[in-house]
Amino acid sequence: QKEVEQNSGPLSVPEGAIASLNCTYSDRGSQSFFWYRQYSGKSPELIMFIYSNGDKEDGRFTAQLNKASQYVSLLIRDSQPSDSATYLCAVNIPLFSGGYNKLIFGAGTRLAVHP
Amino acid sequence: DGGITQSPKYLFRKEGQNVTLSCEQNLNHDAMYWYRQDPGQGLRLIYYSQIVNDFQKGDIAEGYSVSREKKESFPLTVTSAQKNPTAFYLCASSIAGGFNEQYFGPGTRLTVT
Repeated sequence: QKEVEQNSGPLSVPEGAIASLNCTYSDRGSQSFFWYRQYSGKSPELIMFIYSNGDKEDGRFTAQLNKASQYVSLLIRDSQPSDSATYLCAVNIPLFSGGYNKLIFGAGTRLAVHP
Repeated sequence: DGGITQSPKYLFRKEGQNVTLSCEQNLNHDAMYWYRQDPGQGLRLIYYSQIVNDFQKGDIAEGYSVSREKKESFPLTVTSAQKNPTAFYLCASSIAGGFNEQYFGPGTRLTVT
């Protein structure tokens, strides 16, 4: 069973619409959750993180977390063609030796925003 | 400007050769990480380090080696023992503890033929 699952897409939305990206995770010990945007051929860029149940808004982006359902989502309002990219969900898993923790990444959802 | 640099951007090697990928950061971050990314897949952790002179194996460490002699630097060597070395290699860093927000360098695309 994959630890972090995302629909690979592509998710196609018209310009100006709301894009909804979803992610489920398996480890109930996970404490913080991240969304990265990755343009083709480039490295991932951190756009949001969330650690409390509920919503967290930053500009056109809203991250939503439901720990009971082990579900995290990213909403992009007023989608623009420049938002077309792969969105990676990452989940922080604490390691109990030496205080380390690590991120587990999903395979990503490809978003295509068409004019 | 603070950030993470990786060099080179593209690297081509013949099978059987070791190759070292550079990663430097000036963010004053304690923790550094190496990932590889294959087409259509998520990032997989190779090695990580939280302090100088200490590092831990990640999920796919076989065929790789690292060193952490300076806080700013975390080079990765891809050895000839790595069976499928062609991939996009990403270095990241974060502050120790906290929520573990990791920031990535631009990556090195390694092709081995």
